[in-house]
Amino acid sequence: AQSVTQLDSQVPVFEEAPVELRCNYSSSVSVYLFWYVQYPNQGLQLLLKYLSGSTLVESINGFEAEFNKSQTSFHLRKPSVHISDTAEYFCAVSEGGSYIPTFGRGTSLIVHP
Amino acid sequence: DAGVTQSPTHLIKTRGQHVTLRCSPISGHKSVSWYQQVLGQGPQFIFQYYEKEERGRGNFPDRFSARQFPNYSSELNVNALLLGDSALYLCASSLAGGYEGYTFGSGTRLTVV
Repeated sequence: AQSVTQLDSQVPVFEEAPVELRCNYSSSVSVYLFWYVQYPNQGLQLLLKYLSGSTLVESINGFEAEFNKSQTSFHLRKPSVHISDTAEYFCAVSEGGSYIPTFGRGTSLIVHP
Repeated sequence: DAGVTQSPTHLIKTRGQHVTLRCSPISGHKSVSWYQQVLGQGPQFIFQYYEKEERGRGNFPDRFSARQFPNYSSELNVNALLLGDSALYLCASSLAGGYEGYTFGSGTRLTVV
């Protein structure tokens, strides 16, 4: 069965600094990988996804994530964060044929001015 | 276009009572999934419905049930409420079950006292 580990529960960072949110998964079959963002008192929003093809995927607001099969990781990165990026970030994985994602516990990104 | 709508947004129930939560997916989406998000944790999968058929069920007791209607809207029912059922209940819609990722509603905040 698939599982997801988000290694950091909280990541504090200063505005305009780079950030990496780590995600590792466990699965014995092909996977689909997702990052979702949740702002306070809201539902989750899909940030980016890896389904197939290029292992580097990007979002429209400057985030990127790279699928590393050998390390079973899908870390999220941004070269320069803004105050508005403060939110909870969830990594999710689904196995090919299942389509039902399992979510990690989340990483709280806190951007300080 | 309207997004995923959930009702009510908040409610308070007493232990032992029953609750019904409602969800309308994005127009054209045929799949609805329900997740429970306890404070400080990632969403936990409860049910997935596609074309009115149950496609998956998470590790939740039989007190939890759901159904999908011909217009693809869905209800989640919880009987004999426990304090531990207090959580944010999220509905997610997708075209065909989540392969491409979910669109989430803002959730229903259930408090059991």
